[in-house]
Amino acid sequence: KNEVEQSPQNLTAQEGEFITINCSYSVGISALHWLQQHPGGGIVSLFMLSSGKKKHGRLIATINIQEKHSSLHITASHPRDSAVYICAVFSGSARQLTFGSGTQLTVLP
Amino acid sequence: KAGVTQTPRYLIKTRGQQVTLSCSPISGHRSVSWYQQTPGQGLQFLFEYFSETQRNKGNFPGRFSGRQFSNSRSEMNVSTLELGDSALYLCASSLATGTSGVEQYFGPGTRLTVT
Repeated sequence: KNEVEQSPQNLTAQEGEFITINCSYSVGISALHWLQQHPGGGIVSLFMLSSGKKKHGRLIATINIQEKHSSLHITASHPRDSAVYICAVFSGSARQLTFGSGTQLTVLP
Repeated sequence: KAGVTQTPRYLIKTRGQQVTLSCSPISGHRSVSWYQQTPGQGLQFLFEYFSETQRNKGNFPGRFSGRQFSNSRSEMNVSTLELGDSALYLCASSLATGTSGVEQYFGPGTRLTVT
């Protein structure tokens, strides 16, 4: 079993829809990252959180430490949101990021 | 501020050769981490350097090595290349290192193809 599980693996939505991507992890963590990767490979860090909720524009990230679960929400999705979204956890004991396999999001106009 | 830069962006090598990839972090950032991304294994941590010292290493063979210079620029080297080393190699820089996690800024990556 992978230490970081994401779901769904693939997601197709219509423009304007509300989107949720889930991430579950099985190890103790210091922080959880949500990353966005566009075709071509460049990765952008969207959020780093260790508790509660963060919001940036149309993006919202939440984490429940007790349940070892995080969600990334995109409100009013747009075709430019099409990308791979990756969840990564940082373990203080391991001192490294462990990544989920990513969610390929396609938003259709 | 300029972002993280990686050179070269694309590279084609032959099995058995060696390769050196370079990463220049954001000015003021002292930590550089390297990652390998393949379709089969996804993103995996290679190693982290902070103040010219390797702080941590992922589960990769000794053919993978790296170093960091006094200006925080980092290089990684892969010797005796194998077909399976074909991947996107990403570096990320951050202000500090530690056990609580820090925000990382990723470079555009170097796409290595081994033939």
